[in-house]
Amino acid sequence: QVQLQESGPGLVKSSETLSLTCTVSGYSISRGYYWGWIRQPPGKGLEWIGNIYPLDSTYYNPSLKSRIAISMDTSRNQFSLKLSSVTAADTAMYFCTRSSSPSYFLDYWGQGTPVTVSS
Amino acid sequence: EIVLTQSPDTLSLSPGERATLSCTASQTVSNNYLAWYQHKPGQAPRLLMFGASSRATDIPDRFSGSGSGTDFTLTISRLEPEDFAVYYCQQYGSSPTFGQGTKVEIK
Repeated sequence: QVQLQESGPGLVKSSETLSLTCTVSGYSISRGYYWGWIRQPPGKGLEWIGNIYPLDSTYYNPSLKSRIAISMDTSRNQFSLKLSSVTAADTAMYFCTRSSSPSYFLDYWGQGTPVTVSS
Repeated sequence: EIVLTQSPDTLSLSPGERATLSCTASQTVSNNYLAWYQHKPGQAPRLLMFGASSRATDIPDRFSGSGSGTDFTLTISRLEPEDFAVYYCQQYGSSPTFGQGTKVEIK
């Protein structure tokens, strides 16, 4: 059973960098699949952020591309998101996901972690 | 960007009733690359359907998907208590986008 679990600070200051980690169990991320991130601001819809294929092929939402970095640590079976220069607009629930192509349906999700950007 | 509009926003039904959820795209969804997800509070969203009409692994057959082009439907033939949740559609024929969700609540 594949399981994904997000972790990271729930509060980030404006202009700083948001850092989240997704720990995967039940599947070795080095074997394949695209591992990514989705977010949902309060009261708004879901937004695709981007994903990574082992080890360093990345695909990013063009609207966020200049501020995003997604990386992978296969030794820990984890992948991470860094979002720089955050503002209140980045306040959201962040989900990690798995898919079989960079822009595809998502067959596994984490339960999400809330992040608030404070001024 | 393809905009997906789901209707209704909320569906109030009783267990055993049929639920029909709609997802309308602003442009044709390539290859009918349309997925549906179920999301319950505090849980991971769950993939229900992909390719508009293919059920994901372990999804009960009371869930069915249909449609093509710009109009898609998720039908739950007989609502079970565990089916009350928020449902999202997603297109992945181009840069992925999601609908705003339909909440299926107990009447």
